[in-house]
Amino acid sequence: DTGVSQDPRHKITKRGQNVTFRCDPISEHNRLYWYRQTLGQGPEFLTYFQNEAQLEKSRLLSDRFSAERPKGSFSTLEIQRTEQGDSAMYLCASSSPKVGAGTGELFFGEGSRLTVL
Amino acid sequence: AQSVSQHNHHVILSEAASLELGCNYSYGGTVNLFWYVQYPGQHLQLLLKYFSGDPLVKGIKGFEAEFIKSKFSFNLRKPSVQWSDTAEYFCAVNSINSGYALNFGKGTSLLVTP
Repeated sequence: DTGVSQDPRHKITKRGQNVTFRCDPISEHNRLYWYRQTLGQGPEFLTYFQNEAQLEKSRLLSDRFSAERPKGSFSTLEIQRTEQGDSAMYLCASSSPKVGAGTGELFFGEGSRLTVL
Repeated sequence: AQSVSQHNHHVILSEAASLELGCNYSYGGTVNLFWYVQYPGQHLQLLLKYFSGDPLVKGIKGFEAEFIKSKFSFNLRKPSVQWSDTAEYFCAVNSINSGYALNFGKGTSLLVTP
């Protein structure tokens, strides 16, 4: 499968614990995006990378959230001291200027569902 | 502020009925417009997109959308829905100003009954 892959698919944790999600984008896609989706809502933008550079962060991304893409390939999203309000589906997407000339066709993974008890 | 509004949150249709889902956006400058679909248990997939040119765009599975710049709208249509169209539909907008990060509407849940 050459699509965007995310791991783990499901994570249940207790409040206060740290969790980390991994995203492997489509090979050679240089842009990588993280979104959060809660029930009944559309995906909300969190942050995006172009290669290894984190170019934009939403105000939704509190200090407890950190994302990295150290080698410009896979990315991790860490949530420290989780709260019940962090329960959501965390979506990763990637895109490449070679597809649609940079006009933003995003390819999404299946998401990592977080449940904070 | 940049925003995307979808007017219908839940739609129930019988098979063969016609579908129109509304989407309006509030953005400055040149935008790209998208409709994504999420079938039950599956990931988001691109249904269709508008970048420039003909404002009537056709997507997969018989869907089409019309960009009306004066109304800031990008409504999704399908002449005859099928049971397999049951899904969540999201309108989304991006621009070069946002690094092409997509801004999504809240989605419309479509249920097609046999």
